[in-house]
Amino acid sequence: SQQGEEDPQALSIQEGENATMNCSYKTSINNLQWYRQNSGRGLVHLILIRSNEREKHSGRLRVTLDTSKKSSSLLITASRAADTASYFCATDPNYTGANSKLTFGKGITLSVRP
Amino acid sequence: NAGVMQNPRHLVRRRGQEARLRCSPMKGHSHVYWYRQLPEEGLKFMVYLQKENIIDESGMPKERFSAEFPKEGPSILRIQQVVRGDSAAYFCASSPQFAAGQFFGPGTRLTVL
Repeated sequence: SQQGEEDPQALSIQEGENATMNCSYKTSINNLQWYRQNSGRGLVHLILIRSNEREKHSGRLRVTLDTSKKSSSLLITASRAADTASYFCATDPNYTGANSKLTFGKGITLSVRP
Repeated sequence: NAGVMQNPRHLVRRRGQEARLRCSPMKGHSHVYWYRQLPEEGLKFMVYLQKENIIDESGMPKERFSAEFPKEGPSILRIQQVVRGDSAAYFCASSPQFAAGQFFGPGTRLTVL
């Protein structure tokens, strides 16, 4: 499996339900980021969690990080039809303080039914 | 503050032609990254540049592809003698110095006929 691999690959839920998406990775990381991509569009940065953090919130988003299991989860509460999109996790391995390349998974396709 | 800008948004080329993709980073950002996304795939890193320097080009094919980020003007990703397999969405991202979090542009969708 590749670095930054999400599961499930596709998720379909009813509006108002919660959506949980998972991401696993292989190598040590400095931080992990979640992005959203609407069909045929660019990526929108959702949230960044650093390796020394365990949980982070932003509005209806909750991200957890378990570095011992090399995994992260993204929870979207009270989902809306507008949340329909592909979601990617991306890992940044660089510990030197400088910027470095992100490694993306293949993404999760979330469909929220009205 | 305008976001990352890419142009053109759509580019059609015939096999053998050259493709030039431009990226203007966010104001104040001195780091630029190029990624490629094939259909139904995640983004794959290609190259990381700072002004006038290529920092990491480990994801870029050795032939036909080149990138630059001059002192003045946008970053350019250049693909010479394009082939059908180059058809993809090319995304540029920028970040400020010594800060994490990359901000992505809307992408350029390249179609090679």
